[in-house]
Amino acid sequence: QLVLTQSPSASASLGASVKLTCTLSSGHSSYAIAWHQQQPEKGPRYLMKLNSDGSHSKGDGIPDRFSGSSSGTERYLTISSLQSEDEADYYCQTWGTGIGVFGTGTKVTVL
Amino acid sequence: EVQLLESGGGLVQRGGSLRLSCAASGFTFSNYAMSWVRQAPGKGLEWVSAISGRDGNAYYADSVKGRFTISRDNSKNTLYLEMNSLGAEDTAVFYCAKDAVVNGNYLYYFDHWGQGTLVTVFS
Repeated sequence: QLVLTQSPSASASLGASVKLTCTLSSGHSSYAIAWHQQQPEKGPRYLMKLNSDGSHSKGDGIPDRFSGSSSGTERYLTISSLQSEDEADYYCQTWGTGIGVFGTGTKVTVL
Repeated sequence: EVQLLESGGGLVQRGGSLRLSCAASGFTFSNYAMSWVRQAPGKGLEWVSAISGRDGNAYYADSVKGRFTISRDNSKNTLYLEMNSLGAEDTAVFYCAKDAVVNGNYLYYFDHWGQGTLVTVFS
């Protein structure tokens, strides 16, 4: 079964970096994912597609501070030089034949 | 500029029906699969349903299969979600999402989202 696992929360200081992890279920290490950001009281926003080899393509207007990487079944989103507007929920998402799957989301707090 | 504008949400009694719409603009609508994603109050995102661009093949999450019907009118650049037998567990903000892959056979990942429409089911 295709499942994505995320830690519920993460925090870092203003100007620091934070690395979020999204783990694919066993047997799905070749799967690409997408990262989405949801700021408080707003709709989601696409950040990037992240492939199993770590290559990624970002959405329009996404700052360079957002980057992705991969290792095995883990997919990472790193936010550098944290800004106050980066305080949000971050969801990973993947897909199978005719199904969409979301992770449970990670709430990022900027200290 | 891609724009997705949902409408049709509101209050509905348990067991009732509702039809959501999503008006799309800024891209060739028929070239892309479209999805509905929902978010219950205080909860995460849940994929609900998707429909391919030209063939209209539909896909559903198990939680809504047999109760919800997705459709699209490519001449009107509009996506729909017909929801029947609504229960309290269907209370959520429903988002329309555009697939990133042109002429894809299924759903892949979403590169644009609408602002959502709230559906509240009461007893």
